[in-house]
Amino acid sequence: EPEVTQTPSHQVTQMGQEVILRCVPISNHLYFYWYRQILGQKVEFLVSFYNNEISEKSEIFDDQFSVERPDGSNFTLKIRSTKLEDSAMYFCASSETYSNQPQHFGDGTRLSIL
Amino acid sequence: QKEVEQDPGPLSVPEGAIVSLNCTYSNSAFQYFMWYRQYSRKGPELLMYTYSSGNKEDGRFTAQVDKSSKYISLFIRDSQPSDSATYLCAMSGQGGSEKLVFGKGTKLTVNP
Repeated sequence: EPEVTQTPSHQVTQMGQEVILRCVPISNHLYFYWYRQILGQKVEFLVSFYNNEISEKSEIFDDQFSVERPDGSNFTLKIRSTKLEDSAMYFCASSETYSNQPQHFGDGTRLSIL
Repeated sequence: QKEVEQDPGPLSVPEGAIVSLNCTYSNSAFQYFMWYRQYSRKGPELLMYTYSSGNKEDGRFTAQVDKSSKYISLFIRDSQPSDSATYLCAMSGQGGSEKLVFGKGTKLTVNP
């Protein structure tokens, strides 16, 4: 069964450094998302992306964050200058062609900021 | 009032029991309702997806949506130890938004 894959599974970074989290969505999906889950808290929406542009973003997704689809298969989340509070699980998700179809999640990247 | 509320549990049941998991929500604009299962250190795995009110059954799982009460449920029949996980409700569709709004999750343990 097709799946969303994320790399790396665990990323440890010094505060203030840039980090790039990578995702390969399901191949025929056109809508892409990033969510995060701080330990013990809810899964929270960060951003949605369609047709090479952001379609919606949350208040969390400030100027430190950016997303990109650099080629036909990868979808990336960049955090420019990491803070301690960015430590969380980051999940990528994708869905099919039209709106409000089920979103399928990867297993996440655990980001630890030191 | 929180947008989506879900009792975090933990919930512990014997193998074979019927499990009932619930969420309430405050925003009547939600139209799409989902249940995800999350094993430790894994991503949410889609179990059930429903649009508007009604019931949907898939094997041992039944999802119910009551929009008038702003209440959704997931029932698991003949529960198995492999069902032990955290169950997340999620909903979307308010104002045409794609974003999922999650509950906090209920941790379920099914004891052999």
